[in-house]
Amino acid sequence: QLQLQESGPGLVKPSGTLSLTCTVSGGSISSSSYYWGWIRQPPGKGLEWIGNIYYSGSTYYNPSLRGRVTLSVDTSKNQFSLKLSSVTAADTAVYYCARVYSGYGGYCFDYWGQGALVTVSS
Amino acid sequence: QSALTQPPSASGSPGQSVTISCTGTSSDVGGYNYVSWYQQHPGKAPKLMIYEVSKRPSGVPDRFSGSKSGNTASLTVSGLQAEDEADYYCISYAGSSWVFGGGTKLTVL
Repeated sequence: QLQLQESGPGLVKPSGTLSLTCTVSGGSISSSSYYWGWIRQPPGKGLEWIGNIYYSGSTYYNPSLRGRVTLSVDTSKNQFSLKLSSVTAADTAVYYCARVYSGYGGYCFDYWGQGALVTVSS
Repeated sequence: QSALTQPPSASGSPGQSVTISCTGTSSDVGGYNYVSWYQQHPGKAPKLMIYEVSKRPSGVPDRFSGSKSGNTASLTVSGLQAEDEADYYCISYAGSSWVFGGGTKLTVL
């Protein structure tokens, strides 16, 4: 059974950089059938797509966050990571990592991590 | 890239059917048969309920169905049950990007 687990600091100072890692177990991150994505949800609000990365390193970002977001992948550790720079209180959210099925599977988010709350505050 | 439009709320009594809409553009919902729907209970991660407009993953009850017409996709929940009360989100592929709906809170009366 595939499992995804987010990890990283739960508190980040304003203007700092938010860093999270997603560890994938029960399957290989190097499969050509999937992308790996990040989604966030501010408290009491809806979901927002942040970006996806392919095992080869190809990245796809939400235009509204482009310039602040960097995704990376470490196939040797079966992990992928998110960095969000110049954070403000508006970046406070639960951050989810997820597996994204490629075209053959409908480009859907079929497995999700449990989510990690990151608060931006001094 | 604008968010997909969903009604903020929907409701129905046990046993009834409810349909939630998701309206986009020809660049996302209308341009691809890659609309998916997710159920989210409070404090939990979203769960995939429908993919490729109308396909159900293994384990999802057949009370959940999806369809699409033009730029609008729809999720129908038939035979409403108390455990269906949750937030529902649509997501559409938009050609190397993904667009999310704002979410609909489904209340079972």
